[in-house]
Amino acid sequence: DGGITQSPKYLFRKEGQNVTLSCEQNLNHDAMYWYRQDPGQGLRLIYYSQIVNDFQKGDIAEGYSVSREKKESFPLTVTSAQKNPTAFYLCASSPSGTPSSYEQYFGPGTRLTVT
Amino acid sequence: KNQVEQSPQSLIILEGKNCTLQCNYTVSPFSNLRWYKQDTGRGPVSLTIMTFSENTKSNGRYTATLDADTKQSSLHITASQLSDSASYICVVTPGYGGATNKLIFGTGTLLAVQP
Repeated sequence: DGGITQSPKYLFRKEGQNVTLSCEQNLNHDAMYWYRQDPGQGLRLIYYSQIVNDFQKGDIAEGYSVSREKKESFPLTVTSAQKNPTAFYLCASSPSGTPSSYEQYFGPGTRLTVT
Repeated sequence: KNQVEQSPQSLIILEGKNCTLQCNYTVSPFSNLRWYKQDTGRGPVSLTIMTFSENTKSNGRYTATLDADTKQSSLHITASQLSDSASYICVVTPGYGGATNKLIFGTGTLLAVQP
């Protein structure tokens, strides 16, 4: 898992509540990413950030929000607008804002269950 | 549509045996192709990364091959161990150039190594 930490490992919430997932990295990487993983599907990009105070929507950003106030932190908020929030969430980072040539390092993930 | 397809979906082998996992992609052009190993409930860990001009890359008992003409890649695992039990994910980076690229993830092959 390199120098990326995600907390908590398991998270349970009631429907209608917002919840924030933590992601911290000590690799001094510029870029950070949030993915969602569902059974039988490939990872899907939610949001990414190439630099502090800047972030871009990924393929499935609806119902999610992020912030990037510090280089080492990229928290993800799952809002009540997300229709199917139960999933395994993975945070990743890379040395550059262009992931095509650089390795992406993943955190250990947070499993969110909403009932 | 850019896609990455992996086969088989799942595979069971005996400890000590070899196996080969397949990845077919329709991404064109592409910058590189990666193989990740993901243990259950954990984040993916990189095994190999190959540019479009490379044919093979090894990492211990893992050897990846790439045929850019047929758009196929394989991951060969030699002398399997119980710890090889995991999901193996093929990831292709589209080579659009300039703009931030987005990784395209396959759904993975679930490998179970039995004693």
